Amino acid sequence: NAGVTQTPKFRILKIGQSMTLQCTQDMNHNYMYWYRQDPGMGLKLIYYSVGAGITDKGEVPNGYNVSRSTTEDFPLRLELAAPSQTSVYFCASSYWVAGNTIYFGEGSWLTVV
Amino acid sequence: ELKVEQNPLFLSMQEGKNYTIYCNYSTTSDRLYWYRQDPGKSLESLFVLLSNGAVKQEGRLMASLDTKARLSTLHITAAVHDLSATYFCAVEEGGSNYKLTFGKGTLLTVNP
Repeated sequence: NAGVTQTPKFRILKIGQSMTLQCTQDMNHNYMYWYRQDPGMGLKLIYYSVGAGITDKGEVPNGYNVSRSTTEDFPLRLELAAPSQTSVYFCASSYWVAGNTIYFGEGSWLTVV
Repeated sequence: ELKVEQNPLFLSMQEGKNYTIYCNYSTTSDRLYWYRQDPGKSLESLFVLLSNGAVKQEGRLMASLDTKARLSTLHITAAVHDLSATYFCAVEEGGSNYKLTFGKGTLLTVNP
């Protein structure tokens, strides 16, 4: 069972570079999310999507972009990376039924130097 | 803005002891989630609490929800070393399409 798969797991970026974190899920979930987790903190929502073609901002969207062209995929794009974007990024997905579990990927560790 | 506060943030326990982690939140919600995170790992869902008075138990962990007090508790009974992890509560703001606001987490260490 693959669940939610994120790539890459680790990446070092230089300031000003851009990159895309990939996320795919094989559970046919309509909801997908991107969170970031800074050291010693809880997760903060960056962007979310309620279905293909629909995305919306979360709590901390600045410096990021997303797209949702298919149900399975929800890539997160970092433009002009900054040291403040050093964090662990988690993709998650769920099916819209009250009480359904939200499943998280393994995380992507990103360092901007 | 929804705020979620957990306490304590750090908890060191002896094996066999009982303890409770508290999760307070600032706005109306009747959906609360508890997650466990091991170091360097992803989040594992423990409990989903959907209504006032909800209580769920799994092994040595029991979670409850009081929506009127805006409070959830995670009670640990007879702790064992394997329970050492960080525990997060997360609250879904009403009508928010499953957007969760997380607490800062409680780092639990169970000592022999």
